[in-house]
Amino acid sequence: QKEVEQNSGPLSVPEGAIASLNCTYSDRGSQSFFWYRQYSGKSPELIMFIYSNGDKEDGRFTAQLNKASQYVSLLIRDSQPSDSATYLCASWYQGGKLIFGQGTELSVKP
Amino acid sequence: DVKVTQSSRYLVKRTGEKVFLECVQDMDHENMFWYRQDPGLGLRLIYFSYDVKMKEKGDIPEGYSVSREKKERFSLILESASTNQTSMYLCASSTIGTANEKLFFGSGTQLSVL
Repeated sequence: QKEVEQNSGPLSVPEGAIASLNCTYSDRGSQSFFWYRQYSGKSPELIMFIYSNGDKEDGRFTAQLNKASQYVSLLIRDSQPSDSATYLCASWYQGGKLIFGQGTELSVKP
Repeated sequence: DVKVTQSSRYLVKRTGEKVFLECVQDMDHENMFWYRQDPGLGLRLIYFSYDVKMKEKGDIPEGYSVSREKKERFSLILESASTNQTSMYLCASSTIGTANEKLFFGSGTQLSVL
């Protein structure tokens, strides 16, 4: 089992809808989780991190963490075409490794 | 403006060549990382370093080595390049105590091995 798993998509949503991106992780000892956005041909950039159970909101973005289920999600409200990108979930593992999932491609259609 | 600089954006090498990928950061970060990114596989960790002259294997270290002689510079070495090492290579850095710290990425090096 991969340490961090994502549905690779592509996920297609209409403009203005809520996009829901999901991630599961295998190590119960993982403490913190990150969502990076990567536009085509560009490097990843951090959009949110979360380390407590529950929700964390930042503008149109909400990260959700459920440690009992080993599940992390990212919700994007009022999706815009500019949100079209690959979203990478990542987790810190013991020994100082940041491990990424394979990424979910999101396409927001006007 | 903080920066992680990778020496080449595109690189073409031949099978069997020794390849050096250089990465320099100007943020005085302790931690530096090398990832490769392939379609459908995401970012996979090759090696990382948390201090000068220290290195740790990531998930796919085979066929690679690294060097960190100075804090700001982390080099990835392909001892004998092979076609399956054709990939996008991304360098990143972060501060120590990284449980909640973000990675700063370089712009990447697209390596083609022919």
